[in-house]
Amino acid sequence: DVKVTQSSRYLVKRTGEKVFLECVQDMDHENMFWYRQDPGLGLRLIYFSYDVKMKEKGDIPEGYSVSREKKERFSLILESASTNQTSMYLCASSFPPLYQPQHFGDGTRLSIL
Amino acid sequence: AQTVTQSQPEMSVQEAETVTLSCTYDTSESDYYLFWYKQPPSRQMILVIRQEAYKQQNATENRFSVNFQKAAKSFSLKISDSQLGDAAMYFCAYGKINDMRFGAGTRLTVKP
Repeated sequence: DVKVTQSSRYLVKRTGEKVFLECVQDMDHENMFWYRQDPGLGLRLIYFSYDVKMKEKGDIPEGYSVSREKKERFSLILESASTNQTSMYLCASSFPPLYQPQHFGDGTRLSIL
Repeated sequence: AQTVTQSQPEMSVQEAETVTLSCTYDTSESDYYLFWYKQPPSRQMILVIRQEAYKQQNATENRFSVNFQKAAKSFSLKISDSQLGDAAMYFCAYGKINDMRFGAGTRLTVKP
């Protein structure tokens, strides 16, 4: 079975901090994704990556950046955390193209105080 | 941009009965894929069922089936013989070669 592992289930940070969310997958998937999940809004794509060192902005990239130095690892970075970034963050991976089924991690519930 | 609409924020069903979750989408494409994902409370999101737009036959997976109406751009999920373990958030999703969109989700409660 595909395993997508997110480094933390719960995280509490302070405004202005630089925050790193890590995601690792073990199925050699080319595509990796970071979503934000908020009630009533569903999943909104922040960034995705289709190969090492390649990235594309999603619908809500503002305030975020990503890094993919190795195929199995995809990091989401909040450059200067703000309270409106308090949310559930989901990482996913898949084979290309984008319509292939995605495999999700457990999610990280991030609170910015 | 393509959009996916789930008009039912919450639904409930009695155990052993049948429930249908609605989804509509907007697209000008002819080739695409549709999905239903399930997210149980505090657990990982998993794929429930997938439908290729070029296939007229509705997909089925055990107790889960879809009603795909391409002209109406409708893709509903039917859960038969509902079980307590079916309680979850259900997300409808649309995908094509360079895009993937999710709906806002429907929270399904199963009453014993």
